[in-house]
Amino acid sequence: DTGVSQDPRHKITKRGQNVTFRCDPISEHNRLYWYRQTLGQGPEFLTYFQNEAQLEKSRLLSDRFSAERPKGSFSTLEIQRTEQGDSAMYLCASSSKGPRKNIQYFGAGTRLSVL
Amino acid sequence: DAKTTQPPSMDCAEGRAANLPCNHSTISGNEYVYWYRQIHSQGPQYIIHGLKNNETNEMASLIITEDRKSSTLILPHATLRDTAVYYCIVPNFGNEKLTFGTGTRLTIIP
Repeated sequence: DTGVSQDPRHKITKRGQNVTFRCDPISEHNRLYWYRQTLGQGPEFLTYFQNEAQLEKSRLLSDRFSAERPKGSFSTLEIQRTEQGDSAMYLCASSSKGPRKNIQYFGAGTRLSVL
Repeated sequence: DAKTTQPPSMDCAEGRAANLPCNHSTISGNEYVYWYRQIHSQGPQYIIHGLKNNETNEMASLIITEDRKSSTLILPHATLRDTAVYYCIVPNFGNEKLTFGTGTRLTIIP
């Protein structure tokens, strides 16, 4: 399978704990995106990378959230001191550059439940 | 992103054509229309996109009106596996992110 891979698929944590999610994009894609989706809503943009550079962050991405893509390949999204409001599906997507950059390929997501 | 308006839900009989409308009256001349869908518990899936000409691929057809203020996604022979939420998205030109909205929940009825 050469699609976008996310790990873990599900995460249950207690409030106040830190969690980290991983995303492996399609190998030749240089752009990587993180979105968050809550129940009944469409995905909301969080941040995106071009290669290893983080080029845009949404105001939704509070200072408890940090994303990295150290070598321009896989990415991690860390949430510190989780809150119940962080419970959501976290989606990763990747795309190639140029005119097809808005054709984004999504992973299956990581569902986070904060108790 | 140009604001899009879609009906919240639609039903379609299995085997019939499903026609999903989208209004995007504030679209600019160089902005594309994209359609994605999200099947329950999966990530969104790209379907098709277009600028001003009608487009067709193996999944669907996209009809864009001449004034580009609206479009229709057509699934020619809907199957039960087409039950999903369908999103019409018009990213601002040069914008990297997708703004999804709440989409149309399409239910294919046996």
